[in-house]
Amino acid sequence: SQTIHQWPATLVQPVGSPLSLECTVEGTSNPNLYWYRQAAGRGLQLLFYSVGIGQISSEVPQNLSASRPQDRQFILSSKKLLLSDSGFYLCAWEPGGHTYEQYFGPGTRLTVT
Amino acid sequence: GENVEQHPSTLSVQEGDSAVIKCTYSDSASNYFPWYKQELGKGPQLIIDIRSNVGEKKDQRIAVTLNKTAKHFSLHITETQPEDSAVYFCAASKGSSNTGKLIFGQGTTLQVKP
Repeated sequence: SQTIHQWPATLVQPVGSPLSLECTVEGTSNPNLYWYRQAAGRGLQLLFYSVGIGQISSEVPQNLSASRPQDRQFILSSKKLLLSDSGFYLCAWEPGGHTYEQYFGPGTRLTVT
Repeated sequence: GENVEQHPSTLSVQEGDSAVIKCTYSDSASNYFPWYKQELGKGPQLIIDIRSNVGEKKDQRIAVTLNKTAKHFSLHITETQPEDSAVYFCAASKGSSNTGKLIFGQGTTLQVKP
C-alpha cells in the first residue's frame, strides 16, 4: 500500500531564516505531487505541483520554491522566511495519469516568529 | 476563474441525526468531485468521491449526490457519531487543466453533540 511522509511535523523558525520541508511517497511510481498551504481556519491553497523529476509548476508567486530531485521526493524551500509564511503545509500525491485522486500527508506546522 | 462554494461554514447536529453539506462549482468541465475529512492537526483524508457519469454514491453512512446540470453536489452523513466531528472539504477537478488539479471549497466544521 502507498504511504506518504512529511517532516518535520512541527517547526518554529525566525523571520529571515531558510526553510526546507520534505515529502516522500512509498509504494507507488511516477506519482504527481502537490504542495498546499493551509492558513488557520482556512481552505487549501495550491502552491506547487510536479508531474515528474525536475518538473515544477508554481501556482502562486511567493517567497517559496519547490524541487523534485527523485521520483518520490518533493521538497519545499525558502531562502528567507516571512511572517506570512506561517501555516500548515500539506503534501499530496496522485497516481500518475491524472486520476485527480489526491492523498494527503500528515502535514508540517510552520510558525515563523 | 474556477470557484467552489461550500455551505454551511459550520454545522452542529445531535448524535444520531443526519448532516448535509452542499457545494456548488463553476467549471462546467469538472468531472471529479471528492470529499475530504480533516481532523484537528492532521492532513485531509479522502472519504468519498464521485465522477460525473454517476449521480449518487454511497459508502456505509456517507453518501454523495451530484447534479451536473445545476453544478452542485452534496455530502450526506446519516446516524452521525461524535467521531464524525471534523472539518469537511469538497473539491472539484479543474477541467481545463492537463494535471490532476483540484479546486477546494472553504470547508465546513461539523460538530456532533453526544
